[in-house]
Amino acid sequence: EVQLVETGGGLIQPGGSLRLSCAASGFTVSSNFMSWVRQAPGKGLEWVSVIYRDGTSTYYADSVKGRFTISRDNSKNTLYLQMNSLSAEDTAVYYCARGWRSAITPLDYWGQGTLVTVSS
Amino acid sequence: EMVMTQSPATLSVSPGQRATLSCRASESVYSHLAWYQQKPGQAPRLLIYDASTRATGVPARFSGSGSGTEFTLTISSLQSEDFAVYYCQQYNNWWTFGQGTKVEIK
Repeated sequence: EVQLVETGGGLIQPGGSLRLSCAASGFTVSSNFMSWVRQAPGKGLEWVSVIYRDGTSTYYADSVKGRFTISRDNSKNTLYLQMNSLSAEDTAVYYCARGWRSAITPLDYWGQGTLVTVSS
Repeated sequence: EMVMTQSPATLSVSPGQRATLSCRASESVYSHLAWYQQKPGQAPRLLIYDASTRATGVPARFSGSGSGTEFTLTISSLQSEDFAVYYCQQYNNWWTFGQGTKVEIK
């Protein structure tokens, strides 16, 4: 059974850093395109970042470029999102999701999400 | 910048009735269009991809159509479990979501 479990969310002060983790089971993270998608409270979905199968190709939404870093640990079958210079606008539930095809892929499995709250 | 526009924002439908949701892309996404369902407190669930292909386990009452810039999600006979928010998403050029359509009980 495919499963994605995010952890690492919490309350953080503006300007702070946080690292989210997404542990995968039932499939291999390195064989898929893995994304982070976020949802601000009461708002819609926003794609944040993707890491390609090669592990070195990474891309970001303009809203997080230069502040967030996506990575993975193949030995742990886990995806990460390092978030720096956080602001209130980054407050959201963060989901990891799998894209199972090429770069042109929908997202078929999603984790349950982890809430990040940026506030003083 | 790719923009996905969904209409209407809210759709009030009686159980057993048909619901038709629309999604428009600011430029052609070919058939690289997906629909997701999200219920309160839950993650999105993939319903339709490649504009018209149902994902595994999705009931046949859900159908998608369209290509290029105009797309439609149809729920042929609404069941109680279908009342939720629906998002379209293009994946032709990165990933962009529409703002969502809430399907509520009339």
